[in-house]
Amino acid sequence: GAGVSQSPSNKVTEKGKDVELRCDPISGHTALYWYRQSLGQGLEFLIYFQGNSAPDKSGLPSDRFSAERTGGSVSTLTIQRTQQEDSAVYLCASSSTANGQQFFGPGTRLTVL
Amino acid sequence: AQSVSQHNHHVILSEAASLELGCNYSYGGTVNLFWYVQYPGQHLQLLLKYFSGDPLVKGIKGFEAEFIKSKFSFNLRKPSVQWSDTAEYFCAVNYNNAGNMLTFGGGTRLMVKP
Repeated sequence: GAGVSQSPSNKVTEKGKDVELRCDPISGHTALYWYRQSLGQGLEFLIYFQGNSAPDKSGLPSDRFSAERTGGSVSTLTIQRTQQEDSAVYLCASSSTANGQQFFGPGTRLTVL
Repeated sequence: AQSVSQHNHHVILSEAASLELGCNYSYGGTVNLFWYVQYPGQHLQLLLKYFSGDPLVKGIKGFEAEFIKSKFSFNLRKPSVQWSDTAEYFCAVNYNNAGNMLTFGGGTRLMVKP
């Protein structure tokens, strides 16, 4: 079956603009995670959705970052008023159970000019 | 805060050499342990995982890892590397009492010379 997909694969934006990144998890996976991968910071957890529970937002770096998951499937990560330090690869992962193996998507490379 | 350390940032080996990549994690109760690999231009893929049971786990492509609880370590090994093993390797830990996210090490870039 299809893996985790993300779009766009690349996004270049100007400082101060808002961006939306999309993640389509593996069908049937109840858990969805966002991470980002940047030089100097490595791979960092951002936010986690599990079923209908309230999301774990403990990794979001600022209130400019938000995410939603509609219908328990597709998720959108929104970054408002982007800054140059937001430049990174944003990775989405899903798993069939909490604490289970996470399957990663190809990522969205965000460049803020 | 929980943390994961990978001792080697860059490793260069010749084909057929043996590989061991170190991974240590800070104490945080019960853990699930993972090694992921990222080949050039590709996304993260799972190499192997440890949840419970035999502390020596076998993964894909001839990789294995040993969980040593007393040392908080989960080192990755391969007896004989190939050029195709050139990639970046990430150790990751799920602390069961701190949510379901993964805490990643900083990664180790492995280059295998043909």
